[in-house]
Amino acid sequence: AQSVTQPDIHITVSEGASLELRCNYSYGATPYLFWYVQSPGQGLQLLLKYFSGDTLVQGIKGFEAEFKRSQSSFNLRKPSVHWSDAAEYFCAVVFKAAGNKLTFGGGTRVLVKP
Amino acid sequence: GAGVSQSPRYKVAKRGQDVALRCDPISGHVSLFWYQQALGQGPEFLTYFQNEAQLDKSGLPSDRFFAERPEGSVSTLKIQRTQQEDSAVYLCASSLSGTSGSGGEQFFGPGTRLTVL
Repeated sequence: AQSVTQPDIHITVSEGASLELRCNYSYGATPYLFWYVQSPGQGLQLLLKYFSGDTLVQGIKGFEAEFKRSQSSFNLRKPSVHWSDAAEYFCAVVFKAAGNKLTFGGGTRVLVKP
Repeated sequence: GAGVSQSPRYKVAKRGQDVALRCDPISGHVSLFWYQQALGQGPEFLTYFQNEAQLDKSGLPSDRFFAERPEGSVSTLKIQRTQQEDSAVYLCASSLSGTSGSGGEQFFGPGTRLTVL
């Protein structure tokens, strides 16, 4: 079955440290891949997306993600975290055969320590 | 320009009441999606419109849920005879693209938080 997994429910990181959030999917082909961020009381904001081509994609707010076909993964990274990065992060996938609807992972909540 | 707006932002309903949630997509966007986000979980797909046509309603959890987009712009999600398990944030998203499988970027509204007592 098609699914998206974010193995880490919570991550705590010190301000200025690096951050990596994991995302894995189950699908027979390469889907479209997205990372969204949701701050309290806010809607979902797109950080970056992968459709094809270069497997390392750059996004907003200093985030990047790398698509690894062999691992069915699309991990999100940031070299140096700021306190404002505390939020919930969702990996989302469009399984092309299923239309344009997004299938979301369960999310990873990021806490930033001063 | 204006983003996706939703109203009301908060709704409290007594069990058994009917509710209607409104979504105003970005002007000119062909596709409109509804998602349900339970507390502590990721959003889950409910239904999808391409203009006024409802092309996918596979995510609607029961026949108490009904959505419409009669003129291909504003959409309303209606829940009849609300139950406590309907308590969630209901998110609306719109996308410029109408091509299936194109993966066009979806822009999300702030959501409506529904609490059923």
